[in-house]
Amino acid sequence: GEDVEQSLFLSVREGDSSVINCTYTDSSSTYLYWYKQEPGAGLQLLTYIFSNMDMKQDQRLTVLLNKKDKHLSLRIADTQTGDSAIYFCAETPLSGGYNKLIFGAGTRLAVHP
Amino acid sequence: EADIYQTPRYLVIGTGKKITLECSQTMGHDKMYWYQQDPGMELHLIHYSYGVNSTEKGDLSSESTVSRIRTEHFPLTLESARPSHTSQYLCASSDSIGDTIYFGEGSWLTVV
Repeated sequence: GEDVEQSLFLSVREGDSSVINCTYTDSSSTYLYWYKQEPGAGLQLLTYIFSNMDMKQDQRLTVLLNKKDKHLSLRIADTQTGDSAIYFCAETPLSGGYNKLIFGAGTRLAVHP
Repeated sequence: EADIYQTPRYLVIGTGKKITLECSQTMGHDKMYWYQQDPGMELHLIHYSYGVNSTEKGDLSSESTVSRIRTEHFPLTLESARPSHTSQYLCASSDSIGDTIYFGEGSWLTVV
C-alpha cells in the first residue's frame, strides 16, 4: 500500500540543526521529495533524491535515504526563523505511474530564539 | 523557478454558486494535477491529466470537474459550491514520468 508517515511537530532553537524524519511503505518509489509550505502559500519544492542515492546535500539541506528501512530524513543546518513552516515528505510509487505524489501529513517546524 | 499560476488566490462565495479555479503553466508540461488540502491536513489528489483531452479522477473523490483543452491550461470547476468545498486547492505540473512536480501557490476557497 501507499502510506507516508511523519511526526507532526518539531521545535528547535535558532542556529541548531533540525532533522525531520519520514517513513514510506512503497519500495517501488523512484523519487522522494521534500516540500516546504509557509502559512497561506502553496508548496515549494525544496529538494528530491533518486532512490539509488543514499545522500544528497544542497547548501544547508542534507537528505538521507535508507532504502532498506524505507526511511527518509531532511536535515537543515543552522536553522533560521525563516525556516519555520510545514515540511512535507512525498513519494512517487509505481502504482501511480511514478507521477502521482503521495504526501505525508507534514511536520510543522517551529524555530525559537 | 517554476512558472505555474493559479487564480484566484483567495475567494469567498455563497452556497450554490458556480466557480472555476484557473491554473496555467508556461513550461509545456504534459502532466497536470489538482490537489485539495484542508488547513493543517494532508494533500489529496483529486484530478490529474496526462495531456490534452486526458482527465482522470484522483485518489480523493471530489464533486469538482476538470478539463484539458490546451496543454498549458487545467481549470477546475464546481457547478454548485457548498460549505464542505471550503479548502485550499493546489495545482501542479510535471514534464515526464519521474520528473519533478511543481506546484502553484494555491487557491483558497471559502463557501459561506
